[in-house]
Amino acid sequence: AQSVTQLGSHVSVSEGALVLLRCNYSSSVPPYLFWYVQYPNQGLQLLLKYTSAATLVKGINGFEAEFKKSETSFHLTKPSAHMSDAAEYFCAVSETYKYIFGTGTRLKVLA
Amino acid sequence: GAGVSQSPRYKVTKRGQDVALRCDPISGHVSLYWYRQALGQGPEFLTYFNYEAQQDKSGLPNDRFSAERPEGSISTLTIQRTEQRDSAMYRCASSLELAAGYEQYFGPGTRLTVT
Repeated sequence: AQSVTQLGSHVSVSEGALVLLRCNYSSSVPPYLFWYVQYPNQGLQLLLKYTSAATLVKGINGFEAEFKKSETSFHLTKPSAHMSDAAEYFCAVSETYKYIFGTGTRLKVLA
Repeated sequence: GAGVSQSPRYKVTKRGQDVALRCDPISGHVSLYWYRQALGQGPEFLTYFNYEAQQDKSGLPNDRFSAERPEGSISTLTIQRTEQRDSAMYRCASSLELAAGYEQYFGPGTRLTVT
């Protein structure tokens, strides 16, 4: 069965520092993987997705994620955090049409 | 439309009442999904439609929950005889195609509070 684990429900970084949000997945077949961001009072917005074309995926707002099959990971990174990156981030896995989401990581950016 | 819209955005109801939550997908999107998100959790799949056909309702918690999409566009999620445990954010999403890997576009959600 598919599952997603996001380590760290809350992550704090200083403005300008590296952002690293962790996601590990479980899937019986090569999965599709997604990162979504949720700003307050808004819907989930797609940051990036992995569909087996390339292991390093670049998304919007300077975010990227690397698919590592051997580690069953799809961690999200950004070299330099901005105040506007403060939000909740969700990793999701999909083998078919159905998404399985992690429990989310709330990112706080400190001035 | 420009994006997925949901109404109402907030709904407070008393235990035992029925509620209907509406989702208007992006124009031309054939697939529509309903998720429920409890506080501190990620969205959890409830059901989905391909055009007007409901093809998987395995995530609906019990028979008080039902959904329809009669004309293959707008969908309604109905909860009968609401209970306090039904309180959550209900999210709708749509996608252009029904296929693995197609991204789902989410609406802002309806926050349901059952008192």
